[in-house]
Amino acid sequence: GAGVSQSPRYKVAKRGQDVALRCDPISGHVSLFWYQQALGQGPEFLTYFQNEAQLDKSGLPSDRFFAERPEGSVSTLKIQRTQQEDSAVYLCASSLERTTNEKLFFGSGTQLSVL
Amino acid sequence: DAKTTQPNSMESNEEEPVHLPCNHSTISGTDYIHWYRQLPSQGPEYVIHGLTSNVNNRMASLAIAEDRKSSTLILHRATLRDAAVYYCILSPPFQGAQKLVFGQGTRLTINP
Repeated sequence: GAGVSQSPRYKVAKRGQDVALRCDPISGHVSLFWYQQALGQGPEFLTYFQNEAQLDKSGLPSDRFFAERPEGSVSTLKIQRTQQEDSAVYLCASSLERTTNEKLFFGSGTQLSVL
Repeated sequence: DAKTTQPNSMESNEEEPVHLPCNHSTISGTDYIHWYRQLPSQGPEYVIHGLTSNVNNRMASLAIAEDRKSSTLILHRATLRDAAVYYCILSPPFQGAQKLVFGQGTRLTINP
């Protein structure tokens, strides 16, 4: 399919473990976003890339969260020393351009459970 | 960011129209109104967006009040597949990123 692909679909981590979540955006999409969605809540913005440049990381909750997109396509969200409060669904979205009314395409997310 | 207010939940019957309201009394003149929906165990999905005029597409219609302080998403003939959480989102003028700010949304239940 040509949609946004995220892996793994589910991840169980022990508290203190590092995790890496992968996002494959739609080919050619310039903009890439990461969101965090807690159970029963709407998605919350984490960070935004335009090609390989991380232009906004204001939503990252702590310095344990790190995102990269080195070649302007695939992106990885890394969480170091995971805590129980990091348990959530992590959503990736991409869009073709960076105009205000450009629609976002979301992946199905990675559900992270920290025990 | 301007905020939106939506009912927590709504219920409708299959094959009937559904009108999902959204209040945004602090909307600015250049904010776009976006609607996304999230089916169970999936990421959000774009539905429709508009600025001032009513909009139609294959999924739904968007009716925007003349003063733009409210809008209504209209599903003309609901199916079971339309059961989802619907989010009404305001998108401020372009500042380098389209950072959508999701609220709690409206959980729509469709009865067979």
